[in-house]
Amino acid sequence: DVKVTQSSRYLVKRTGEKVFLECVQDMDHENMFWYRQDPGLGLRLIYFSYDVKMKEKGDIPEGYSVSREKKERFSLILESASTNQTSMYLCASEPGQGFYEQYFGPGTRLTVT
Amino acid sequence: DQQVKQNSPSLSVQEGRISILNCDYTNSMFDYFLWYKKYPAEGPTFLISISSIKDKNEDGRFTVFLNKSAKHLSLHIVPSQPGDSAVYFCAASVNDYKLSFGAGTTVTVRA
Repeated sequence: DVKVTQSSRYLVKRTGEKVFLECVQDMDHENMFWYRQDPGLGLRLIYFSYDVKMKEKGDIPEGYSVSREKKERFSLILESASTNQTSMYLCASEPGQGFYEQYFGPGTRLTVT
Repeated sequence: DQQVKQNSPSLSVQEGRISILNCDYTNSMFDYFLWYKKYPAEGPTFLISISSIKDKNEDGRFTVFLNKSAKHLSLHIVPSQPGDSAVYFCAASVNDYKLSFGAGTTVTVRA
């Protein structure tokens, strides 16, 4: 079974803090993704990575950056957290090579106060 | 602008009856469609998919129908069970690994 784990289930941070969200997958998948889920908006893609050290912007990259130093790990960074970044953050991985099904982690509920 | 739309935010159905979830899309280049199911406090899990070369795909109680001319797909769950109560997301892809998701439909199956 594919396992995608996220470092925290719940996180509370203050405005202006730097926030790191970590994601690890154990199936040697090529592609990894970060989404945020908000009511009425579904899942929106923030960033994705198709290889180590490679990244591409998704639909809403503003205010975020990412890092992928190892194949199994993909980090989402909020350089200076703001209240409008309060959301559920979901990490996903996918084998690559034309295989579309993505496997999701349990999510991190981030609250910025 | 959302390219994948689920216009019904919620659906309530009696146990044993059919659940029909609908999804509309605007991008005619989408060639692969997926449905995901999400329970509270868990990540979405893949349910069923369909390629644009097909108009129907079945997996047990779940069937997905695709109408390309109408840019519409639907998910049928027959019979509905209490464990089917969850949020269902429709997603679509243009021949690559990026998925565009709808806003989700919350299904409640009543005993």
